[in-house]
Amino acid sequence: GDSVTQMEGPVTLSEEACLTINCTYTATGYPSLFWYVQYPGEGLQLLLKATKADDKGSNKGFEATYRKETTSFHLEKGSVQVSDSAVYFCALRRSGAGSYQLTFGKGTKLSVIP
Amino acid sequence: NAGVTQTPKFRVLKTGQSMTLLCAQDMNHEYMYWYRQDPGMGLRLIHYSVGEGTTAKGEVPDGYNVSRLKKQNFLLGLESAAPSQTSVYFCASSYPTTFGPGTRLTVL
Repeated sequence: GDSVTQMEGPVTLSEEACLTINCTYTATGYPSLFWYVQYPGEGLQLLLKATKADDKGSNKGFEATYRKETTSFHLEKGSVQVSDSAVYFCALRRSGAGSYQLTFGKGTKLSVIP
Repeated sequence: NAGVTQTPKFRVLKTGQSMTLLCAQDMNHEYMYWYRQDPGMGLRLIHYSVGEGTTAKGEVPDGYNVSRLKKQNFLLGLESAAPSQTSVYFCASSYPTTFGPGTRLTVL
């Protein structure tokens, strides 16, 4: 079945440091890939997405590129802020007709210290 | 436009009690889902619905039932709560996938 593996946290960075959170997936066909962010006490919000190979999703300074050859979708940001402290989830949605349900990784908690 | 709302936000149950979690969406989405979130486990799909009057099992359906009598509502029921059902429950609808704020349930 489909699965998503992301790097385990927690990750602690100083403000303005570079961030990379690794995500790899297993799925048949050509899934769509997503990064969601969960701030403390809140639900999940879509951060960015990519729907086909070599697509780059970007939002709020975060980027991720859909790499089919390595089945990866790593999240990157060049300079993190304290306000980026949250839990980040990588997810995939299987291609083709269906229910649009998502398969999630286990999440990576990021803490950014001033 | 409220998006996805969940009721209640918090609940404490004793083992064996029953309860229903309500999810409502005002985006006219066809698809709705219930997930549970546990530490170190990410989100796991409990049940989902592809339209009014239809439901299907997800990854972890045991101990839960659902109903989708109206397009905008998706109910999650626990008939006999167990401590293993202590979790944060998220409802979502799509497309695009939008999550509710969550319900924190503790079963003693």
